[in-house]
Parts: sequence; C-alpha cells; structure tokens
Amino acid sequence: GQQVMQIPQYQHVQEGEDFTTYCNSSTTLSNIQWYKQRPGGHPVFLIQLVKSGEVKKQKRLTFQFGEAKKNSSLHITATQTTDVGTYFCAGPGDRGSTLGRLYFGRGTQLTVWP
Amino acid sequence: KAGVTQTPRYLIKTRGQQVTLSCSPISGHRSVSWYQQTPGQGLQFLFEYFSETQRNKGNFPGRFSGRQFSNSRSEMNVSTLELGDSALYLCASSLALAGTGEQFFGPGTRLTVL
Repeated sequence: GQQVMQIPQYQHVQEGEDFTTYCNSSTTLSNIQWYKQRPGGHPVFLIQLVKSGEVKKQKRLTFQFGEAKKNSSLHITATQTTDVGTYFCAGPGDRGSTLGRLYFGRGTQLTVWP
Repeated sequence: KAGVTQTPRYLIKTRGQQVTLSCSPISGHRSVSWYQQTPGQGLQFLFEYFSETQRNKGNFPGRFSGRQFSNSRSEMNVSTLELGDSALYLCASSLALAGTGEQFFGPGTRLTVL
C-alpha cells in the first residue's frame, strides 16, 4: 500500500547548526504537508506544498517539493532551542478508496543542545 | 475561534474494559480523523469521518470503532482493551476531506491500560 517514509528518525544538533529531514512517498502526491509536534504537545500544521519543484520559506525554515512530487524536504538554518520537536511530513491518499486519508511519515525527532 | 477539543484528556482503564473518547472539531469543519500515537509506531491512522460517513479506515482490529454526529462531533470506542492500546489518541479536523488542506489537531487523550 501507499507509504510515506521519513529520515532520519532522530537528529541531535548543537544550536546554530543546520538540520534537514527528508520525506519520500511510494506514490506521486497531489500535495505534501508538514507538521511540528513539540514534546508533550500535538502536531501543528506548518505548511502545504502543491506544485512540482515548489520551494517555500518560513523565516529559517525552507520546504521543498520534488519535481516528481514524490519527495520533500524541510531544512532549518541555524537551529535554535525553540526548534526542538518532532517534524512530520504527510501526504494524501492517491485513489478513491484512500482519498480523505493522510499518510504520515514516522517523523524526525530533533534535539538541539545549547 | 475555539480549537479542537478532546475529552477526557487522561484515562486509566484495565484490560478487558471499554472506553469512549470524544472529539469536538472546529466549528464549520466537517472532517474528523483519528490517530493513535505511540513512541514506537508514530502516528497511526484509525479512521476518518466526513459528514457523518466513515470514508476511510486504517488497519486496526474491529475493537476500534467510531462515529460522527450531525454537529460533526465524533466519538471513538475501543472495546476489550489490551495493554497495547495504551497510547495518545489524537483527533484532527479540517474543512474539507483530510489531505486537501490543513488539519487541526486536538490536544489528545492519553489512554493507559493496566
């Protein structure tokens, strides 16, 4: 069945270093969404990418959607302790029976030490 | 406007019991999705409801069931609880079908099965 894979599972960085998480789908996606979950919290929507090759920036965060719309990445420049959390990518089902369902990656847990 | 609310926030049950969790979506949202989150398995999709109809179901046993009411509020029920059902149960609501746009997550219900 449809799968969304995400790597790495864990990333530990020193404050100020960059961080990247990668997401790959087994199928072409109509869009991809990114969420952040702080420790003890719930996932919060960050962004949705729709177009092939799309790049969007939110301050220090850069999101990319691959040309084939099967992969995506989230890059954080100069991490801060406030970036700590788990970052999830998610893509929608690709056929009638799975429309209305979001497939989540396993997430990348980011730890930032000062 | 008010966010997604879930009740109860914490629950302790024993094996064999059953439990009902409730989710009130953001006003106007017609889609409600349920997820089980555990440290080892990430976010596992349970089911999605749209306008009182279950449109998608994940790979969970029949002990897990749900429903959605005409006011879009949703409940999920787990019967004959097992130790492995201990998890954070999250619901998320969206205006349209999940996967088409931002999903708003509730704070979750932490279920512990003893």
